[in-house]
Amino acid sequence: KAGVTQTPRYLIKTRGQQVTLSCSPISGHRSVSWYQQTPGQGLQFLFEYFSETQRNKGNFPGRFSGRQFSNSRSEMNVSTLELGDSALYLCASSPGGWTQYEQYFGPGTRLTVT
Amino acid sequence: AQRVTQPEKLLSVFKGAPVELKCNYSYSGSPELFWYVQYSRQRLQLLLRHISRESIKGFTADLNKGETSFHLKKPFAQEEDSAMYYCALSGSGFQKLVFGTGTRLLVSP
Repeated sequence: KAGVTQTPRYLIKTRGQQVTLSCSPISGHRSVSWYQQTPGQGLQFLFEYFSETQRNKGNFPGRFSGRQFSNSRSEMNVSTLELGDSALYLCASSPGGWTQYEQYFGPGTRLTVT
Repeated sequence: AQRVTQPEKLLSVFKGAPVELKCNYSYSGSPELFWYVQYSRQRLQLLLRHISRESIKGFTADLNKGETSFHLKKPFAQEEDSAMYYCALSGSGFQKLVFGTGTRLLVSP
């Protein structure tokens, strides 16, 4: 099976702009999670979608949002970008539940905000 | 709040030496613990989980609820074990993975 794919791989945006990142899960996986990785805070959970519904959300401001489509592909959006949003954004997919299944991670999208 | 602590940012050992990467967690409920690994220029991937109680690539980890620890061990380190290792926590009360800050393991010849 093809792995989790994320597009774009690299992105440079200006403060105040908005950005949309895309994630295609492994075929058959219905759960997609997003994480933010920074040197200072490490890996932090953003949100998780399952069958087009957000099941869980981390402690991030409302500028961070996401959605999942009927084919399980997911997008996350960050509005009004701030310098501190510069990070590696990782997407992970799994067949369903949290602890029953392995999380498969994508390569990430490196976002730089200038 | 749930928390995972990996006290060592870097662990440097020689090939053939034993390795122990420390992980402590904070969670009052029933925890699910995982070790994820990221090799150079590769994706983050699951190494092992406590519920499976298996050994992967010679690594083992035992959940100690009394000490709230889930240390990762290997008796004889290999150069190919050099990577970033993350301990992660989940539980029935929160449906997400909480990661530690990671430990970089460097195995020298």
